[in-house]
Amino acid sequence: EPEVTQTPSHQVTQMGQEVILRCVPISNHLYFYWYRQILGQKVEFLVSFYNNEISEKSEIFDDQFSVERPDGSNFTLKIRSTKLEDSAMYFCASMWGQTLNTEAFFGQGTRLTVV
Amino acid sequence: LAKTTQPISMDSYEGQEVNITCSHNNIATNDYITWYQQFPSQGPRFIIQGYKTKVTNEVASLFIPADRKSSTLSLPRVSLSDTAVYYCLVGPITGGGNKLTFGTGTQLKVEL
Repeated sequence: EPEVTQTPSHQVTQMGQEVILRCVPISNHLYFYWYRQILGQKVEFLVSFYNNEISEKSEIFDDQFSVERPDGSNFTLKIRSTKLEDSAMYFCASMWGQTLNTEAFFGQGTRLTVV
Repeated sequence: LAKTTQPISMDSYEGQEVNITCSHNNIATNDYITWYQQFPSQGPRFIIQGYKTKVTNEVASLFIPADRKSSTLSLPRVSLSDTAVYYCLVGPITGGGNKLTFGTGTQLKVEL
């Protein structure tokens, strides 16, 4: 079964450092997403990406965040200057999006710890 | 976006049928009901989606009454591995790109 893969599984970084979280979505999917989940809290939408541009972003997704699809397979989330409160699980998801079905496929997540 | 209300937690035993009900009183005409499952430290996983009446797949059944103000996810004969958080999501489907809005979900704990 096709799956979304994320690397690394765990990233520890110092406050103020830049991090890049990587994702390989399912190959024929057209919509890509980043979500995050702070420990013990809800899964929160960050950003959606379609046709090489951001289609929607949440209030969390401020100027410190950026996304990119540098080639035909990778989808990255960059946090320019990490803060302690950015510590969370970050999930990448993809969706085919060509039918009336909201089945999103999520990766296993990257646990980001900012110290 | 329709607000959803689910029980915070449920307990069950292996082999039992589990029914998790979600209330969505202000569901809109073009809203669908979707359920996701999440194991600890993993991403959510799609279980089932429906608009009205009953939908069944190899994993679960989804019962939606005529007024659509609630829905019930039914898990037949649960096992320990069904211990997870279950989320009920309600929202429109516009043919692609819909973001998902998760609530706090229902923590299901299955015991021997």
